[in-house]
Amino acid sequence: ELKVEQNPLFLSMQEGKNYTIYCNYSTTSDRLYWYRQDPGKSLESLFVLLSNGAVKQEGRLMASLDTKARLSTLHITAAVHDLSATYFCAEAYSGAGSYQLTFGKGTKLSVIP
Amino acid sequence: ETGVTQSPTHLIKTRGQQVTLRCSSQSGHNTVSWYQQALGQGPQFIFQYYREEENGRGNFPPRFSGLQFPNYSSELNVNALELDDSALYLCASSLDPGFPEQYFGPGTRLTVT
Repeated sequence: ELKVEQNPLFLSMQEGKNYTIYCNYSTTSDRLYWYRQDPGKSLESLFVLLSNGAVKQEGRLMASLDTKARLSTLHITAAVHDLSATYFCAEAYSGAGSYQLTFGKGTKLSVIP
Repeated sequence: ETGVTQSPTHLIKTRGQQVTLRCSSQSGHNTVSWYQQALGQGPQFIFQYYREEENGRGNFPPRFSGLQFPNYSSELNVNALELDDSALYLCASSLDPGFPEQYFGPGTRLTVT
């Protein structure tokens, strides 16, 4: 069974602090996605990580992928209130020629001024 | 280039009723996937449509069914609605089944009372 586990599920942090969200996945997929979701809204794609050791950065967010450990991390640097949202990781699984995404439960991030 | 669109935005139905949700894929995309996102959970894959046929299915009962039309738009039908069907339904389109990048629509919020 495909399984993606994120931790923590809830994260409350002060502005200016750093923190890391962890994502463990179960298959040999080498393609891992990070999404952001604001309340009541759809998913906004943040990063796609394609290979072992991949690192991508956008503003205060940096994502990395370790396919050997089946682990991806999303690091938040000097958090600001605008980063408050729920963050999902998802792996892309190809079965019988079609890709489907398996998501974690999400990490709800609250950045407190 | 037109993105993925979904209708309606919100919908309220009564237990036992049937509902149809609609999705128009992004221009040039021939594959549509549907996901269900219950409150506080990550999206779960329902099924995918390609060439007007189901091309992969998640762990959902047969009362969840779909259609795809020659213009690649798609419908999700749910019969005999249950309270647990209350969720945000997300549609995603991709270039073809072998292309893992999926582009999500704004979603339809279904409430079953």
